[in-house]
Amino acid sequence: AQKITQTQPGMFVQEKEAVTLDCTYDTSDQSYGLFWYKQPSSGEMIFLIYQGSYDEQNATEGRYSLNFQKARKSANLVISASQLGDSAMYFCAMREGGGYQKVTFGIGTKLQVIP
Amino acid sequence: GAVVSQHPSRVICKSGTSVKIECRSLDFQATTMFWYRQFPKKSLMLMATSNEGSKATYEQGVEKDKFLINHASLTLSTLTVTSAHPEDSSFYICSARDPQNVRPYEQYFGPGTRLTVT
Repeated sequence: AQKITQTQPGMFVQEKEAVTLDCTYDTSDQSYGLFWYKQPSSGEMIFLIYQGSYDEQNATEGRYSLNFQKARKSANLVISASQLGDSAMYFCAMREGGGYQKVTFGIGTKLQVIP
Repeated sequence: GAVVSQHPSRVICKSGTSVKIECRSLDFQATTMFWYRQFPKKSLMLMATSNEGSKATYEQGVEKDKFLINHASLTLSTLTVTSAHPEDSSFYICSARDPQNVRPYEQYFGPGTRLTVT
């Protein structure tokens, strides 16, 4: 079974609008963490936000927030007030177990912000 | 934030030759570095975990004799693609963890290396 599922291959959003990128995950571990990374066309991976499985509140980092629904095993990324520079690939990822080592990535969602 | 560099950013080599890719942590000491491979329009696939001073841990299906990883110092890990073939053409990305980071889960990624084997 896929550990990380991103079902939206591509998304469009109007500039200044909010957009939600979906991510569901599968793990039997009690301790895990979920990440979102941004990959512009230049290729580098940019860390956006992290949510630990024991964190009671949803993570927020500036315009990024993570809608963590543990029972549904979903960790959607919400980007508020979209900007043209937000156009990129977005990857959801997960680490499992007590360590911080291995991270498994989803296949990504391509977001395009329309002026 | 912490910076990870990769060199070269792009490399073209002939089939049958070997190519070395360097990954450096510029302002922190990385006891652990990771090597990923990304196919066009695909996700990142972890190839191996590189620990300073010890042998790398390879993921299932990754040929350790083909993808040689050396982590000789706390700031440098190298990936050597030996006897490269066109199917090895890909985008290779390294990442590193800073054990001093207050967010120990955070990995810092390098800019990637585009390998083309002709």
